[in-house]
Amino acid sequence: DGGITQSPKYLFRKEGQNVTLSCEQNLNHDAMYWYRQDPGQGLRLIYYSQIVNDFQKGDIAEGYSVSREKKESFPLTVTSAQKNPTAFYLCASTIGLAGASAIPYNEQFFGPGTRLTVL
Amino acid sequence: SQQGEEDPQALSIQEGENATMNCSYKTSINNLQWYRQNSGRGLVHLILIRSNEREKHSGRLRVTLDTSKKSSSLLITASRAADTASYFCATGGIYNTDKLIFGTGTRLQVFP
Repeated sequence: DGGITQSPKYLFRKEGQNVTLSCEQNLNHDAMYWYRQDPGQGLRLIYYSQIVNDFQKGDIAEGYSVSREKKESFPLTVTSAQKNPTAFYLCASTIGLAGASAIPYNEQFFGPGTRLTVL
Repeated sequence: SQQGEEDPQALSIQEGENATMNCSYKTSINNLQWYRQNSGRGLVHLILIRSNEREKHSGRLRVTLDTSKKSSSLLITASRAADTASYFCATGGIYNTDKLIFGTGTRLQVFP
């Protein structure tokens, strides 16, 4: 089955801890994204990556970090610097063109999400 | 800043009725997309309409786009209880550096 997976489904963090959310896709997509969704709200872009070993900040990157060492994987680390990390985190991917952004032009495929709660 | 604004915020209907949701946006777009999200799940892409298209159909879904009014509508005909979900519009800008911007969504409840 082709798709995009996220783990874990639920994550609990103590204040001051860093946690890493996993996102893996086997769709052979170049571009991957991390969004944050708060209750009753739309999605806000945290980070995105158009190609391996390259990524850009989205609208709310402060307190988060990412890496893109493999095409299939785009993990997100929520650091202790993120003051209000409790939220639903969604990873997505889309077909891209190497060396060019396809972000606004194509449909995005989403993972099932990770719900992070700070205790 | 949010580009898409959905209207209404919430909608409750009976099975068999049609559901109409609207989306307004502010700047020029390359395309407008609609997504569905079941509670606690990821988003599922429903339909994409490009700026040079006025109407598009997919099964029970009908999407219209009016670029002069910067608005789109999603019509779900003959609604089913399984259509209960949140529906989001997202706009793709005209520059390849633009990001896909999501609205705040319409919560649809279909009663059996």
